[in-house]
Amino acid sequence: GAGVSQSPRYKVAKRGQDVALRCDPISGHVSLFWYQQALGQGPEFLTYFQNEAQLDKSGLPSDRFFAERPEGSVSTLKIQRTQQEDSAVYLCASTYIRSRTDTQYFGPGTRLTVL
Amino acid sequence: AQSVSQHNHHVILSEAASLELGCNYSYGGTVNLFWYVQYPGQHLQLLLKYFSGDPLVKGIKGFEAEFIKSKFSFNLRKPSVQWSDTAEYFCAVNHSNDYKLSFGAGTTVTVRA
Repeated sequence: GAGVSQSPRYKVAKRGQDVALRCDPISGHVSLFWYQQALGQGPEFLTYFQNEAQLDKSGLPSDRFFAERPEGSVSTLKIQRTQQEDSAVYLCASTYIRSRTDTQYFGPGTRLTVL
Repeated sequence: AQSVSQHNHHVILSEAASLELGCNYSYGGTVNLFWYVQYPGQHLQLLLKYFSGDPLVKGIKGFEAEFIKSKFSFNLRKPSVQWSDTAEYFCAVNHSNDYKLSFGAGTTVTVRA
């Protein structure tokens, strides 16, 4: 079946531009996560949704980062006034049920490069 | 702060050699433990996970991991690697009352034919 998809796969932005990254989770998956992966590092948590509710946004690095999931399916991560330190791969993951032991299924990521 | 440590940044070995990758975490309390793998050009996928029961967990592709609570460790092992095991391996942990995963920095494994 279809996995988690993300678009665009690659994004180049000039410093100061706004970007929007999209995540399509596996159909029917309740929970959705965003992670940021810097070069040579493991993914770091940004934010978490259960259906349309954003239950944890403790990992968002600044108020320039904003995520939404208005209908409980597709999610968008928006970064305003991008900075060079925002360059990273942004990963989306989804899970079927609201369990902390549930497998998170990851998408291919969006590689953001800020010039 | 909670953290996950992976001891080796890059491991190079020959086919049929045994593999062991270390993972330690610094959480208190009950945790759930995961190993994810990322093959070249592919997305992260689950190898195995532990949340209760037998501390020796078997996963896909012949991998296993052992949870040793007293050592805060969850090391990954494979008795005989293949060239196709070349990948990056990530250990991840979440606390039993939390959903988000904390990842280690990853270990790149290169298997020479």
